[in-house]
Amino acid sequence: QSVLTQPPSVSGAPGQRVTISCTGSSSNIGAGYDVHWYQQLPGTAPKLLMYITYNRPSGVPDRFSGSKSGTSASLAITGLQAEDEADYYCQSYDGSLSASVFGGGTRLTVL
Amino acid sequence: QVQLVQSGAEVKKPGASVSVSCKASGYTFTNYYMHWVRQAPGQGLEWVGIISPSGVITSNTQKFQGRVTMTRDTSTRTVYMELRNLRSEDTAVYYCGRGPGATLTTHADYWGQGTLVTVSS
Repeated sequence: QSVLTQPPSVSGAPGQRVTISCTGSSSNIGAGYDVHWYQQLPGTAPKLLMYITYNRPSGVPDRFSGSKSGTSASLAITGLQAEDEADYYCQSYDGSLSASVFGGGTRLTVL
Repeated sequence: QVQLVQSGAEVKKPGASVSVSCKASGYTFTNYYMHWVRQAPGQGLEWVGIISPSGVITSNTQKFQGRVTMTRDTSTRTVYMELRNLRSEDTAVYYCGRGPGATLTTHADYWGQGTLVTVSS
């Protein structure tokens, strides 16, 4: 299992708000290491969605937002659109492992 | 524009080695880290390692136990990832990803298209 824990799936209707959690521990998120989020559409490379908790790269709509508290981080998506249907991954660094780590991924389904 | 172009698919036998290349363009090559990340069929992302602008390598030692090497050739703006003693469970798509931060905890802001490595006898 992954060092960072994400729900395997979330779903929501168009226009709704969903959140994806990323739960770590005192050796990664809780130690203050940055959290980043990626979106992966089927058959394509991951795309950076959020970096250092809440920073959006150019071109990422402000419907996407990030937050962090304690040993967990969250990605929120408001105004869900069909094009948001994808896999989402969180990433951080683990000081005990001396390695970057990814969450197991969350599949977002737009109903 | 920033582009990372990876080498083509590879088929290898167990115990062999594979080298995947990632050619960069559109930015100052010597200023950025480069991550390597892999994704087994139907599975999630797994961090392989990172090479710093100066060539210092940090890899996922616990997972790869010294089987991975990364190098960078400044003259050709290319980064290489070699994985030795291949096993069937190394079958995956391998991605390179540019790291824009100042430390190895950085994210990856641009990604290559991926290289499928198949390990089969």
